[in-house]
Amino acid sequence: GESVGLHLPTLSVQEGDNSIINCAYSNSASDYFIWYKQESGKGPQFIIDIRSNMDKRQGQRVTVLLNKTVKHLSLQIAATQPGDSAVYFCAETAIQGAQKLVFGQGTRLTINP
Amino acid sequence: GAVVSQHPSRVICKSGTSVKIECRSLDFQATTMFWYRQFPKQSLMLMATSNEGSKATYEQGVEKDKFLINHASLTLSTLTVTSAHPEDSSFYICSFTPGGHTDTQYFGPGTRLTVL
Repeated sequence: GESVGLHLPTLSVQEGDNSIINCAYSNSASDYFIWYKQESGKGPQFIIDIRSNMDKRQGQRVTVLLNKTVKHLSLQIAATQPGDSAVYFCAETAIQGAQKLVFGQGTRLTINP
Repeated sequence: GAVVSQHPSRVICKSGTSVKIECRSLDFQATTMFWYRQFPKQSLMLMATSNEGSKATYEQGVEKDKFLINHASLTLSTLTVTSAHPEDSSFYICSFTPGGHTDTQYFGPGTRLTVL
């Protein structure tokens, strides 16, 4: 079946720097995408989402970019902080349908002091 | 965001026993809830979709007789792992979407199951 994948399994950045986490998806029918943050031993926490009729959406210190042409999704975190250290997952689904989320493999982000 | 609780947060059991995990939505009614399993250093895999008042829909490869799901009310869904074996040891996470339409899924804190 189709799945969502990630380019990098680990990413280390210096505190205060910006980080970019990438995700590739393969299901052209997906029209809703979400980024989740998961800290060790906890459930995923919603960060930001984007629908396929948009190519960019901004939140507080986070920006999600969607490129439907190449089926690519990215999460940008500005001015990273130690609390940003976690595993980040992208997920995709179709708005019409069973609402099932397909998760990517995850990227572990480490913020170095 | 919506608050979802799970109980217990961690459980250790002997092989062959059954374990029940509860998932509660605390401030929204949830007509649909989802159960995921996550093995160490892996992603979340959907196990089943739980619909209030009806039978759950299981993903391919997930044994419905082994993982019993009961969604008896709009705020409670339970997952029972029957005759647990060490390979069932995993992190089990529930989620739901408020309002029943595709929207943000809110996840519970997870339950760590260890089968000895």
